[in-house]
Amino acid sequence: QVQLVEFGGGVVQPGRSLRLSCAASGFTFRSNAMHWVRQAPGKGLEWVAVIWYDGSDEYYADSVKGRFTISRDNSKSTLYLQMDSLRAEDTAVYFCVRDHSSNWPYSLDNWGQGTRVTVSS
Amino acid sequence: DIQMTQSPSSLSASVGDRVTITCRASQSISSSLNWYQQKSGKAPKLLIYAASTLHSGVPSRFSGSGSGTDFTLTITGLQPEDFATYYCQQTYRTPPLTFGGGTKVEIK
Repeated sequence: QVQLVEFGGGVVQPGRSLRLSCAASGFTFRSNAMHWVRQAPGKGLEWVAVIWYDGSDEYYADSVKGRFTISRDNSKSTLYLQMDSLRAEDTAVYFCVRDHSSNWPYSLDNWGQGTRVTVSS
Repeated sequence: DIQMTQSPSSLSASVGDRVTITCRASQSISSSLNWYQQKSGKAPKLLIYAASTLHSGVPSRFSGSGSGTDFTLTITGLQPEDFATYYCQQTYRTPPLTFGGGTKVEIK
């Protein structure tokens, strides 16, 4: 069965960096686009970024553009999110999510359990 | 960006009730609309994709309809395990993907 396990969350000061990882198993990782979606405490879902199946293209929400970088290593079946210049408003649970599609988003059909990021001094 | 508006934001219902949740897009999105269920403290799960297609393993009491700007998620015969928050999400000419604000279904 599909498994997505996120790592790397924690407490970080404003302006610092953090890298999240997501280990995928149970499917052919290199065949699917992958997303990061976040959820601030008590709030709804916010899409963060997507990367194509082969890493050839990536897109970001305006709220993180220029600060976050999504990447993937298909040889390791791992997705990453490099988060720089973190702000208090980046505090959220971050979910690693598989898309049914290989590129243009279609449906988010499998979600990890999430990893919590808290940005606070 | 396309804005998604869900209504109501919350509702109270009893086991066995028929529940309807509405999602409206700020412009036509054809049938590029998905529905997700999220239980407290858990990750969301895909229920319906392409407006009306049931995801694998989802009970048939869930159904979706609509196209263009107006969409509906219906639960026919609400079960105790259905109490959760439901989100719509569009994938029309994305990115960016956008979610509705959510509808919390509570026990009456």
